[in-house]
Amino acid sequence: DAGITQSPRYKITETGRQVTLMCHQTWSHSYMFWYRQDLGHGLRLIYYSAAADITDKGEVPDGYVVSRSKTENFPLTLESATRSQTSVYFCASRGTSGGNNEQFFGPGTRLTVL
Amino acid sequence: AQSVTQLDSQVPVFEEAPVELRCNYSSSVSVYLFWYVQYPNQGLQLLLKYLSGSTLVESINGFEAEFNKSQTSFHLRKPSVHISDTAEYFCAVSRGGSNYKLTFGKGTLLTVNP
Repeated sequence: DAGITQSPRYKITETGRQVTLMCHQTWSHSYMFWYRQDLGHGLRLIYYSAAADITDKGEVPDGYVVSRSKTENFPLTLESATRSQTSVYFCASRGTSGGNNEQFFGPGTRLTVL
Repeated sequence: AQSVTQLDSQVPVFEEAPVELRCNYSSSVSVYLFWYVQYPNQGLQLLLKYLSGSTLVESINGFEAEFNKSQTSFHLRKPSVHISDTAEYFCAVSRGGSNYKLTFGKGTLLTVNP
């Protein structure tokens, strides 16, 4: 499918387990982003990537790890999940053409940590 | 660094009434401004954006927003809302030029009642 996809869409895990959320885009966009959405906080940037093998921290990176070995994929790993990481996670991508800063969002992954 | 304040967390209105969702930003440099909409259980979709030029920007479904530099605002308006406009609306800002990161407000839940 064309566009940006996330998997799984729903995930329940236990405290201390490792969890990986997947993000895949078909546009060959250079930039990719991970956000978490929590009530009362809006969307907060976790990590972003400007290109393959280039990643950087956002506003709330603690407890998360990312990698970008291929342009189209940007997995987010919770190395040891905590209840405070219960959230909805959105992946987004953006091209580099001109000043158009539009980001395209995936459908989200709802993660529950018990 | 820039920040965004959405002044209302919830806005209930009746169908066919006008609505204004307020957004103020702070930034020491030029900015790009965006409104995204999130329908229930979906990802975010771009509604409209201001990059440069005319300060009044419109969307295809009747929303408009006006960039007011002196008041550092980018309020979203619609003269007559429909039930289908019920959604959460997010204002976002990025630094003008080649900056790629968005800073989001906390969102405004618009509920349109019959």
